[in-house]
Amino acid sequence: QKEVEQDPGPLSVPEGAIVSLNCTYSNSAFQYFMWYRQYSRKGPELLMYTYSSGNKEDGRFTAQVDKSSKYISLFIRDSQPSDSATYLCAQPGGGRRALTFGSGTRLQVQP
Amino acid sequence: DADVTQTPRNRITKTGKRIMLECSQTKGHDRMYWYRQDPGLGLRLIYYSFDVKDINKGEISDGYSVSRQAQAKFSLSLESAIPNQTALYFCATSGGGSYEQYFGPGTRLTVT
Repeated sequence: QKEVEQDPGPLSVPEGAIVSLNCTYSNSAFQYFMWYRQYSRKGPELLMYTYSSGNKEDGRFTAQVDKSSKYISLFIRDSQPSDSATYLCAQPGGGRRALTFGSGTRLQVQP
Repeated sequence: DADVTQTPRNRITKTGKRIMLECSQTKGHDRMYWYRQDPGLGLRLIYYSFDVKDINKGEISDGYSVSRQAQAKFSLSLESAIPNQTALYFCATSGGGSYEQYFGPGTRLTVT
């Protein structure tokens, strides 16, 4: 079992929709999670990070962690075509301060 | 200018050839990483380095070697390339005690 699992998608939504992207994790040693966004033919870029349980909001993006179910989510409000990308969740693991990544969910926002 | 650069950006090579991918960073970070990305498998860690004298194997190091020539430079070598090493390769850096990593633009490698 991979330590971080994601549904690969693709997920296709109309412009303006609320998007929910999800990951499950198995390693409870680190309660620190990150979301990366990767546009086609580009390197991943850090979108936001969150500690432990609860929500963290940044503009149209909200990251949420549910420790009891080992579930992390990224919500995108008022989605835009420019949000079309692959979203990867990550947490520390696999070596000192190295990251373990989920396989990524591809999102397409239709204008 | 980009903080993390990778060369070459694209490379086609033949089975059995030796190839080196290079990474440079201007972020002043002490930690550098090499990942490969394959469809459906996400990013997998090949090697990582915490300073010039501290190099560690990652999840999938077989068939690869690395060299940390300086704090700012970290190279990945394929001693004898094989077709299943065809992938996107990314270099990343982190520093200041943070978990956050910053990625280069990637190298698309094709082994025929």
